[in-house]
Amino acid sequence: QITLKESGPTLVKPTQTLTLTCTFSGFSLSTSRVGVGWIRQPPGKALEWLALIYWDDDKRYSPSLKSRLTITKDTSKNQVVLTVTNMDPGDTATYYCAHNPRNSWYFDLWGRGTLVTVSS
Amino acid sequence: QSALTQPASVSGSPGQSITISCTGTSSDVGTYNYVSWYQQHPGKAPKLMIYDVSYRPSGVSNRFSGSKSGNTASLTISGLQAEDEADYYCSSYTSSSTRVFGTGTKVTVL
Repeated sequence: QITLKESGPTLVKPTQTLTLTCTFSGFSLSTSRVGVGWIRQPPGKALEWLALIYWDDDKRYSPSLKSRLTITKDTSKNQVVLTVTNMDPGDTATYYCAHNPRNSWYFDLWGRGTLVTVSS
Repeated sequence: QSALTQPASVSGSPGQSITISCTGTSSDVGTYNYVSWYQQHPGKAPKLMIYDVSYRPSGVSNRFSGSKSGNTASLTISGLQAEDEADYYCSSYTSSSTRVFGTGTKVTVL
Protein backbone atom coordinates (compact mmCIF):
# COMPACT_ATOMS: atom_id res chain seq x y z
CA GLN A 1 0.00 0.00 0.00
CA ILE A 2 1.45 3.32 -1.10
CA THR A 3 1.18 6.29 1.23
CA LEU A 4 2.70 9.77 1.13
CA LYS A 5 2.80 12.44 3.81
CA GLU A 6 3.93 16.03 3.60
CA SER A 7 5.59 17.80 6.50
CA GLY A 8 7.09 21.19 7.13
CA PRO A 9 6.34 24.59 8.66
CA THR A 10 2.81 25.90 8.61
CA LEU A 11 3.91 29.53 8.72
CA VAL A 12 6.83 31.25 7.03
CA LYS A 13 7.75 34.90 6.72
CA PRO A 14 8.13 36.74 3.42
CA THR A 15 11.59 36.31 1.83
CA GLN A 16 12.25 33.14 3.84
CA THR A 17 12.97 29.75 2.28
CA LEU A 18 10.38 27.00 2.64
CA THR A 19 11.54 23.41 3.05
CA LEU A 20 8.94 20.65 2.71
CA THR A 21 9.49 16.94 3.12
CA CYS A 22 7.47 14.17 1.53
CA THR A 23 7.86 10.88 3.39
CA PHE A 24 6.49 7.89 1.54
CA SER A 25 6.06 4.14 1.92
CA GLY A 26 4.99 1.24 -0.26
CA PHE A 27 7.40 1.98 -3.09
CA SER A 28 11.04 2.83 -3.66
CA LEU A 29 12.46 5.76 -5.59
CA SER A 30 15.21 3.46 -6.75
CA THR A 31 12.66 1.57 -8.86
CA SER A 32 13.07 2.30 -12.53
CA ARG A 33 10.93 5.07 -13.99
CA VAL A 34 9.10 5.92 -10.76
CA GLY A 35 8.78 9.55 -9.69
CA VAL A 36 7.48 11.85 -6.96
CA GLY A 37 5.99 15.23 -7.70
CA TRP A 38 4.94 18.35 -5.84
CA ILE A 39 1.75 20.25 -6.56
CA ARG A 40 0.27 23.23 -4.73
CA GLN A 41 -3.16 24.81 -4.43
CA PRO A 42 -3.77 28.33 -3.10
CA PRO A 43 -6.95 28.60 -1.05
CA GLY A 44 -9.96 28.49 -3.35
CA LYS A 45 -7.81 28.25 -6.46
CA ALA A 46 -6.60 25.68 -8.95
CA LEU A 47 -3.89 23.07 -8.71
CA GLU A 48 -0.44 24.15 -9.86
CA TRP A 49 2.28 21.65 -10.81
CA LEU A 50 5.64 22.54 -9.26
CA ALA A 51 8.29 19.87 -9.67
CA LEU A 52 9.00 16.19 -10.22
CA ILE A 53 11.97 13.95 -9.47
CA TYR A 54 12.51 10.55 -11.03
CA TRP A 55 14.25 7.41 -9.84
CA ASP A 56 17.40 8.32 -11.79
CA ASP A 57 17.56 11.83 -10.23
CA ASP A 58 16.17 13.47 -13.37
CA LYS A 59 14.42 16.64 -12.19
CA ARG A 60 11.72 18.72 -13.83
CA TYR A 61 10.48 22.13 -12.72
CA SER A 62 7.63 24.48 -13.50
CA PRO A 63 9.09 27.02 -15.95
CA SER A 64 7.48 29.92 -14.09
CA LEU A 65 8.98 28.93 -10.72
CA LYS A 66 12.14 27.15 -11.80
CA SER A 67 14.50 29.76 -10.37
CA ARG A 68 13.01 29.37 -6.89
CA LEU A 69 12.54 25.59 -6.66
CA THR A 70 14.86 22.74 -5.77
CA ILE A 71 13.76 19.12 -5.50
CA THR A 72 15.95 16.38 -4.06
CA LYS A 73 15.53 12.80 -2.91
CA ASP A 74 16.93 10.60 -0.17
CA THR A 75 16.26 7.08 -1.34
CA SER A 76 17.48 5.50 1.89
CA LYS A 77 14.97 7.52 3.92
CA ASN A 78 12.14 7.28 1.39
CA GLN A 79 11.91 11.06 1.30
CA VAL A 80 11.66 13.82 -1.28
CA VAL A 81 12.41 17.40 -0.27
CA LEU A 82 11.19 20.56 -1.99
CA THR A 83 12.67 23.96 -1.23
CA VAL A 84 11.10 27.21 -2.33
CA THR A 85 13.16 30.34 -1.94
CA ASN A 86 12.04 33.94 -1.43
CA MET A 87 8.56 33.08 -0.20
CA ASP A 88 5.81 35.60 -0.83
CA PRO A 89 2.20 35.84 0.46
CA GLY A 90 1.18 34.66 -3.01
CA ASP A 91 2.85 31.33 -2.22
CA THR A 92 0.31 30.62 0.51
CA ALA A 93 -1.15 27.27 -0.47
CA THR A 94 -1.71 23.65 0.38
CA TYR A 95 1.32 21.75 -0.87
CA TYR A 96 0.83 18.15 -2.00
CA CYS A 97 3.29 15.44 -2.93
CA ALA A 98 2.19 12.62 -5.20
CA HIS A 99 3.38 9.31 -6.64
CA ASN A 100 4.12 9.03 -10.35
CA PRO A 101 3.96 5.34 -11.36
CA ARG A 102 6.64 3.88 -13.60
CA ASN A 103 6.36 4.59 -17.30
CA SER A 104 3.46 6.97 -16.75
CA TRP A 105 2.55 10.62 -16.91
CA TYR A 106 0.06 11.05 -14.10
CA PHE A 107 -0.15 11.00 -10.30
CA ASP A 108 -2.06 8.01 -9.03
CA LEU A 109 -1.75 8.61 -5.29
CA TRP A 110 -1.48 11.83 -3.33
CA GLY A 111 -0.62 12.87 0.19
CA ARG A 112 -3.18 14.75 2.25
CA GLY A 113 -1.34 18.02 1.76
CA THR A 114 0.05 20.60 4.14
CA LEU A 115 -1.11 24.21 4.33
CA VAL A 116 1.68 26.76 4.31
CA THR A 117 0.86 30.39 5.09
CA VAL A 118 3.23 33.20 4.21
CA SER A 119 2.82 36.15 6.51
CA SER A 120 4.92 38.51 8.56
CA GLN B 1 3.40 27.13 -20.04
CA SER B 2 -0.13 28.33 -19.44
CA ALA B 3 -2.78 26.45 -17.52
CA LEU B 4 -5.14 24.35 -19.58
CA THR B 5 -8.52 25.99 -20.01
CA GLN B 6 -11.60 24.48 -18.38
CA PRO B 7 -15.10 25.90 -17.87
CA ALA B 8 -15.48 27.35 -14.39
CA SER B 9 -18.64 25.41 -13.70
CA VAL B 10 -20.86 22.69 -15.12
CA SER B 11 -24.12 21.48 -13.65
CA GLY B 12 -26.61 18.73 -14.25
CA SER B 13 -29.50 16.89 -12.68
CA PRO B 14 -29.16 13.42 -11.17
CA GLY B 15 -29.08 10.80 -13.89
CA GLN B 16 -28.01 13.20 -16.60
CA SER B 17 -24.68 13.26 -18.41
CA ILE B 18 -22.28 16.18 -18.36
CA THR B 19 -19.05 16.87 -20.20
CA ILE B 20 -16.12 18.96 -19.02
CA SER B 21 -13.72 20.29 -21.63
CA CYS B 22 -10.00 20.89 -21.23
CA THR B 23 -8.32 22.96 -23.93
CA GLY B 24 -4.58 23.11 -24.36
CA THR B 25 -2.17 23.60 -27.22
CA SER B 26 -0.11 21.61 -29.65
CA SER B 27 2.64 21.63 -26.99
CA ASP B 28 0.60 19.53 -24.59
CA VAL B 29 -2.91 18.11 -25.10
CA GLY B 30 -2.72 18.26 -28.88
CA THR B 31 0.43 16.18 -29.19
CA TYR B 32 0.44 13.76 -26.27
CA ASN B 33 -2.10 11.16 -25.22
CA TYR B 34 -1.09 11.79 -21.62
CA VAL B 35 -4.11 13.65 -20.31
CA SER B 36 -5.33 12.78 -16.84
CA TRP B 37 -8.33 13.89 -14.81
CA TYR B 38 -8.64 14.39 -11.05
CA GLN B 39 -11.63 14.74 -8.77
CA GLN B 40 -11.33 16.84 -5.63
CA HIS B 41 -13.90 17.09 -2.90
CA PRO B 42 -13.69 20.06 -0.49
CA GLY B 43 -10.81 19.74 1.92
CA LYS B 44 -9.56 16.54 0.33
CA ALA B 45 -6.62 15.58 -1.83
CA PRO B 46 -7.22 15.09 -5.56
CA LYS B 47 -8.14 11.60 -6.76
CA LEU B 48 -7.12 10.18 -10.13
CA MET B 49 -10.18 9.42 -12.27
CA ILE B 50 -8.81 9.05 -15.81
CA TYR B 51 -5.30 8.63 -17.18
CA ASP B 52 -3.81 8.54 -20.68
CA VAL B 53 -6.91 10.28 -22.05
CA SER B 54 -9.39 7.45 -21.56
CA TYR B 55 -8.21 4.81 -19.10
CA ARG B 56 -9.90 4.34 -15.74
CA PRO B 57 -7.90 3.25 -12.68
CA SER B 58 -9.17 0.26 -10.80
CA GLY B 59 -12.06 1.22 -8.55
CA VAL B 60 -13.23 4.24 -10.53
CA SER B 61 -16.82 4.01 -11.72
CA ASN B 62 -17.39 3.31 -15.41
CA ARG B 63 -19.69 6.34 -15.38
CA PHE B 64 -16.52 8.36 -15.90
CA SER B 65 -15.02 8.40 -19.37
CA GLY B 66 -12.44 10.45 -21.21
CA SER B 67 -11.70 11.40 -24.80
CA LYS B 68 -9.64 13.80 -26.86
CA SER B 69 -9.95 15.64 -30.14
CA GLY B 70 -7.19 17.92 -31.33
CA ASN B 71 -6.13 20.28 -28.55
CA THR B 72 -9.20 19.56 -26.40
CA ALA B 73 -9.72 16.70 -23.98
CA SER B 74 -13.04 15.91 -22.37
CA LEU B 75 -14.33 14.16 -19.27
CA THR B 76 -17.86 12.82 -19.38
CA ILE B 77 -19.80 11.81 -16.30
CA SER B 78 -22.87 9.78 -17.11
CA GLY B 79 -25.70 8.96 -14.72
CA LEU B 80 -24.76 11.94 -12.59
CA GLN B 81 -24.95 11.27 -8.84
CA ALA B 82 -24.86 13.54 -5.82
CA GLU B 83 -21.44 12.17 -4.86
CA ASP B 84 -20.03 13.44 -8.17
CA GLU B 85 -20.37 17.03 -6.96
CA ALA B 86 -16.75 18.17 -6.71
CA ASP B 87 -14.02 20.08 -8.48
CA TYR B 88 -12.40 18.44 -11.49
CA TYR B 89 -8.96 19.16 -12.93
CA CYS B 90 -7.34 17.98 -16.11
CA SER B 91 -3.58 17.65 -16.52
CA SER B 92 -1.26 17.00 -19.44
CA TYR B 93 2.31 16.13 -20.16
CA THR B 94 4.08 18.89 -22.09
CA SER B 95 6.75 19.18 -24.75
CA SER B 96 9.11 20.48 -22.04
CA SER B 97 8.75 17.16 -20.19
CA THR B 98 6.81 18.95 -17.46
CA ARG B 99 3.18 18.78 -16.47
CA VAL B 100 0.42 21.36 -16.51
CA PHE B 101 -2.96 21.41 -14.79
CA GLY B 102 -6.23 22.91 -15.92
CA THR B 103 -8.04 25.85 -14.39
CA GLY B 104 -10.54 23.56 -12.72
CA THR B 105 -14.28 22.97 -13.07
CA LYS B 106 -16.84 22.94 -10.30
CA VAL B 107 -19.51 20.32 -10.94
CA THR B 108 -22.85 20.93 -9.30
CA VAL B 109 -25.58 18.32 -9.08
CA LEU B 110 -28.88 20.14 -9.15
